Amino acid sequence: AQSVAQPEDQVNVAEGNPLTVKCTYSVSGNPYLFWYVQYPNRGLQFLLKYITGDNLVKGSYGFEAEFNKSQTSFHLKKPSALVSDSALYFCAVREGDKIIFGKGTRLHILP
Amino acid sequence: EAQVTQNPRYLITVTGKKLTVTCSQNMNHEYMSWYRQDPGLGLRQIYYSMNVEVTDKGDVPEGYKVSRKEKRNFPLILESPSPNQTSLYFCASSLSPDRGWYEQYFGPGTRLTVT
Repeated sequence: AQSVAQPEDQVNVAEGNPLTVKCTYSVSGNPYLFWYVQYPNRGLQFLLKYITGDNLVKGSYGFEAEFNKSQTSFHLKKPSALVSDSALYFCAVREGDKIIFGKGTRLHILP
Repeated sequence: EAQVTQNPRYLITVTGKKLTVTCSQNMNHEYMSWYRQDPGLGLRQIYYSMNVEVTDKGDVPEGYKVSRKEKRNFPLILESPSPNQTSLYFCASSLSPDRGWYEQYFGPGTRLTVT
């Protein structure tokens, strides 16, 4: 069974509109969840994580994510998209001592 | 500056010719890991290390070797590269999971082509 799924290969959003990048997970026990971003020709950069506590997690560059245990989801959100947010976004989950990444979602912010 | 460095950044080689990709971090991190990134498959973990002399297989370890003789270094070895190992490789490090799960710091990547 896939530990983490990103159901959308690509998401297009107009600049200034809110954005959501979806992630669902499937792990036993308490999930440890992460979002990373990859800009062209760069390594991955950490955005935010959920370990425990508040279901709404705030991270870098104005991004936030909502942990929903009943829906086993950890969607990434931003209230107002910028063209510079265009990048490849990865959701990841801890599984034992390993980190399992989703396949990534390419976010295009249209001017 | 806190960073993870990888060398080389680009490498074109031929089938069967042994190669090593180096990875070094200056943050005194215990946990280090290697990933490969392929279109449509995302990042897949090859090997990881919880600390010096402690390594374990990730999801796609076949055809790769690693060693962790020093805390800062975690080289990836391809004893006999094959074309299906053509990929973009990332090294990453973080604090020990024993202290809680922390974000990983990624290197800039090594683009490997095996012909």
